[in-house]
Amino acid sequence: EPEVTQTPSHQVTQMGQEVILRCVPISNHLYFYWYRQILGQKVEFLVSFYNNEISEKSEIFDDQFSVERPDGSNFTLKIRSTKLEDSAMYFCASTPMGGTDTQYFGPGTRLTVL
Amino acid sequence: AQSVTQLDSHVSVSEGTPVLLRCNYSSSYSPSLFWYVQHPNKGLQLLLKYTSAATLVKGINGFEAEFKKSETSFHLTKPSAHMSDAAEYFCVVSEPTGGGNKLTFGTGTQLKVEL
Repeated sequence: EPEVTQTPSHQVTQMGQEVILRCVPISNHLYFYWYRQILGQKVEFLVSFYNNEISEKSEIFDDQFSVERPDGSNFTLKIRSTKLEDSAMYFCASTPMGGTDTQYFGPGTRLTVL
Repeated sequence: AQSVTQLDSHVSVSEGTPVLLRCNYSSSYSPSLFWYVQHPNKGLQLLLKYTSAATLVKGINGFEAEFKKSETSFHLTKPSAHMSDAAEYFCVVSEPTGGGNKLTFGTGTQLKVEL
């Protein structure tokens, strides 16, 4: 069964450094999302992406964040200058075409900012 | 804005006994509702989904949920708990956006299953 994959599974970085989290959505999916889950808190929506542009973003998704689909398979989340409070599990999700709203999640990348 | 409230942060049951995880929703229109499960150190797995076709929804691993509009509830149940059901469960509501949809998660219910 096709799956969403994410790399790396765990990323440790120093405060102020740039990080790129990578996701490979399911191949025929058209809608892509990033969510994050700070330890002990609920999963929060960050951004949705369709047709090569952001369709919606939350207030968390400020100028430090960007997303990109650089080729036909990858979907990336970049954090330009990481802060301690960016430490969280980041989940990528995707939805197929046709209007269904079921989102299929990847296993997550745990980001630790020191 | 849509929201979900999970009424219990922790639920503990004995193996073989019924499971009830409670969720209430708030939505300005007919919602799409989901239950996702997260096992330790794993991603989010879809258990089941409600989209107005039927009020009683059956999911994987013997779980089901009933949509009750009059009570604005979408409680998750299972007749007999298994040790492997121990995990965190999230009630989720979907809201359409300009492209796709946005999920709003509840705070989660940690299910513990004891021998």
